[in-house]
Amino acid sequence: DAKTTQPPSMDCAEGRAANLPCNHSTISGNEYVYWYRQIHSQGPQYIIHGLKNNETNEMASLIITEDRKSSTLILPHATLRDTAVYYCIVRVAYNTDKLIFGTGTRLQVFP
Amino acid sequence: GAVVSQHPSRVICKSGTSVKIECRSLDFQATTMFWYRQFPKQSLMLMATSNEGSKATYEQGVEKDKFLINHASLTLSTLTVTSAHPEDSSFYICSANKAVLGGPTLHFGNGTRLTVT
Repeated sequence: DAKTTQPPSMDCAEGRAANLPCNHSTISGNEYVYWYRQIHSQGPQYIIHGLKNNETNEMASLIITEDRKSSTLILPHATLRDTAVYYCIVRVAYNTDKLIFGTGTRLQVFP
Repeated sequence: GAVVSQHPSRVICKSGTSVKIECRSLDFQATTMFWYRQFPKQSLMLMATSNEGSKATYEQGVEKDKFLINHASLTLSTLTVTSAHPEDSSFYICSANKAVLGGPTLHFGNGTRLTVT
């Protein structure tokens, strides 16, 4: 699986959009971008994934650049409950092999 | 709702004793499950891959005789920390792949906080 780079930490005001970047310059053509988050003392939670088109679900939006070398996870209206560590992972879809986590971005949403 | 259940959520044990942690896939069969360990303010570190009906595959540096893994059925994997020591105190998380068309494949349990006194 390709390597990803994320900023170690970010802050966001409650109610504002949180934009979390991820670089994956060595991504292969058949690798998807997955986002998970981990709230303190819980297991990681799936958020969203995509290949090359922008994706949106009830939790977030995923914007992938045209060259697919980077992406941004957008939480449109951050709440205090969105405070967590966010992990960007690239892997082949439906790959049943192990998932390797990087260091992620610690997002702090403040009132 | 949760698709992977982990039990117990917290456990405290004395040094030298053994602790068993269970990981269950709730509505699907998992031939492979994964065990992670996480120390405070660090990322998840993969310990081993649990394979149903065969031996687990351990990551480099993980002692297989200390962290015993059993995957006797398609819905249950167990991790036993043998002769636990305070340095084994950590957050242990399991995960399993669920084949869902168009959706995520990897689901995680809510973790087990192990404290060895």
